[in-house]
Amino acid sequence: DSGVTQTPKHLITATGQRVTLRCSPRSGDLSVYWYQQSLDQGLQFLIQYYNGEERAKGNILERFSAQQFPDLHSELNLSSLELGDSALYFCASSVGRNQPQHFGDGTRLSIL
Amino acid sequence: DQQVKQNSPSLSVQEGRISILNCDYTNSMFDYFLWYKKYPAEGPTFLISISSIKDKNEDGRFTVFLNKSAKHLSLHIVPSQPGDSAVYFCAASSTLIQGAQKLVFGQGTRLTINP
Repeated sequence: DSGVTQTPKHLITATGQRVTLRCSPRSGDLSVYWYQQSLDQGLQFLIQYYNGEERAKGNILERFSAQQFPDLHSELNLSSLELGDSALYFCASSVGRNQPQHFGDGTRLSIL
Repeated sequence: DQQVKQNSPSLSVQEGRISILNCDYTNSMFDYFLWYKKYPAEGPTFLISISSIKDKNEDGRFTVFLNKSAKHLSLHIVPSQPGDSAVYFCAASSTLIQGAQKLVFGQGTRLTINP
C-alpha cells in the first residue's frame, strides 16, 4: 500500500461527457503529480501541483484541468471526452526533490 | 522523442539467477533515476533510486548502476524470485528545473522468472 488513494477505480462514460478523478496523497507529501498511461504511449506526465500551486505541466490537453485543495487532495477534470482519452490515470505524491514519487493504483477510464 | 528507452520489451530468467534490466537516456539534464515495478491492476511501486552523484546504489536484492558517460543505467536483481515477475519501468527526472520533478518513463520491460 503506497498510501496514495485514487477514486474511483473504474469509470465508464460516453464521448462528450465530463469526469472528475480524485487523489489523496500520502500523509505529509506536498507534491501531487498526474500521469496518463495509454496502450501506445506508456506513462506520460500531465501536471504537477505543490502545496496548492501548479508547478509543472506536461502534454496535458486544454480539455483537461487539475487543482490541489488546501487539504492537499487533488482532482483531475477531463471534459469533452473523446474515445482517445480512454486510459489509466495515475496520481503520485512525493515529499520533495530527489525523493521518490509514490503512485496510487490508478483510475481506469473507458469512453464508449 | 523518447528520452528514456528500455530496449528489451521482455526478459525471461530462471529462479535464483541474476536478472539484469537495462535503460538508456538521452537528456544530459537528468540527474535522478528510479526503477519501479508494476503488477497488473496496480500502480507502479517504487523499488530503488540513484542520484547522478553516485554510480551504484544497493538495497537488499536490488542494485542500480549508473554510467553517466554512456547515459545508461541498469537494475540487477539477485537472486531472482518468482514474485519478481512484473513489468519494470525505468524513470528519470531533472532537479535542475526549480520545483518541477516530473518523471520521464521508459516503455517498460516485462520480467518473467521461471521456476
